[in-house]
Amino acid sequence: KAGVTQTPRYLIKTRGQQVTLSCSPISGHRSVSWYQQTPGQGLQFLFEYFSETQRNKGNFPGRFSGRQFSNSRSEMNVSTLELGDSALYLCASSPLSDEQFFGPGTRLTVL
Amino acid sequence: QKEVEQDPGPLSVPEGAIVSLNCTYSNSAFQYFMWYRQYSRKGPELLMYTYSSGNKEDGRFTAQVDKSSKYISLFIRDSQPSDSATYLCAMSNPSGGSYIPTFGRGTSLIVHP
Repeated sequence: KAGVTQTPRYLIKTRGQQVTLSCSPISGHRSVSWYQQTPGQGLQFLFEYFSETQRNKGNFPGRFSGRQFSNSRSEMNVSTLELGDSALYLCASSPLSDEQFFGPGTRLTVL
Repeated sequence: QKEVEQDPGPLSVPEGAIVSLNCTYSNSAFQYFMWYRQYSRKGPELLMYTYSSGNKEDGRFTAQVDKSSKYISLFIRDSQPSDSATYLCAMSNPSGGSYIPTFGRGTSLIVHP
């Protein structure tokens, strides 16, 4: 069974731009979660989608948004990028959301 | 104070050593406890998954949960250079059907030959 895939793997943007990241979950998994990982803060939960509905949300500003499509694929969007948004963005899929299966992540650098 | 505390290390040990990795937590409602391993430039992968207090063994890995002390551990026996990675603890409190885990910051482990 194919694992979680994320595109792109690397991205360089400048302050003020926006970015969209994509995640394809493991086939059959309906829950998709997004995390931000930085050396200083570790792994922080952004939001979770289940059957196209946002079910849980972390403590991030409204510049961070996401959505899930009917085929369970998910996207997250960050608008008005700031230097502090530089991080590894991880997507995880789960059949129920307790066991999280992570993708390789998208490394975002904001200049 | 963060809900889950984990020493970032690095922890450097010789090959063959027994490694002990630990996390403490403050939320007594946590019921599910997990350990993830993350290699450089990769996403975390689930190593161990336990429910409530007690021990769970899987090959060279043993996960231990002490809910009374709010303390969890991961032991690695006969450590190998391939075990060099960052180990993240995670725990969750099922609520409303969602089990979104709270992660520790991770401990960097280096096993040198």
